[in-house]
Amino acid sequence: QSVLTQPPSASGTPGQRVTISCSGSSSNIGSNTVNWYQQLPGTAPKLLIYSNNQRPSGVPDRFSGSKSGTSASLAISGLQSEDEADYYCAAWDDSLNGIFGTGTKVTVL
Amino acid sequence: EVQLVESGGGLVKPGGSLRLSCAASGFTFIKAWMSWVRQAPGKGLEWVGRIKSKTDGGTTDYAASVKGRFIISRDDSENTLYLQMNSLKTEDTAVYYCTTDPVGISGFDYWGQGTLVTVSS
Repeated sequence: QSVLTQPPSASGTPGQRVTISCSGSSSNIGSNTVNWYQQLPGTAPKLLIYSNNQRPSGVPDRFSGSKSGTSASLAISGLQSEDEADYYCAAWDDSLNGIFGTGTKVTVL
Repeated sequence: EVQLVESGGGLVKPGGSLRLSCAASGFTFIKAWMSWVRQAPGKGLEWVGRIKSKTDGGTTDYAASVKGRFIISRDDSENTLYLQMNSLKTEDTAVYYCTTDPVGISGFDYWGQGTLVTVSS
């Protein structure tokens, strides 16, 4: 089964820029769009980015997304303490199922 | 205000069945593609499956891990989404979230609060 691979962890100090990668294949990221989610402990996920680089209303412009080939990235600029959370990429796979990335825990030092 | 409220979770023995419900309000349910996502304790998110709107065919797709055991259905007259879970295994233990389409392209994204399903003898 297809997998979207993310680094298990990422960290930065307040104000820094942190980037999270999401590596897939031609059947998912290579041919479909990528969404990004933030999950705070004990809560449901929240959509941060959809269609590779679009921000829903209310999401700060500190969050940005990009895609190139079979990989995607989420960047958090001006890192804040409230950004400490788990982050997941998500995409449709042409084998007729959706997939989430393995997840990245962001720590604000 | 959009609301998705799951119900039906609980403790069930391996091999047993359970049906989850998700009551939707605040949006045009009949037009929405709806999904189930689960999260095992301390683990990441797992896409379970989705059902398209009837105008888009009403078809379903499932993760390989649940295909043949789980069935997603919808009652548009009641604005309710269902997940029928059969032949449950211990590895199906998770919080189950009702959501719109987390792999969609529209940015129309809402989640319920989740309901815990525990499969244990």
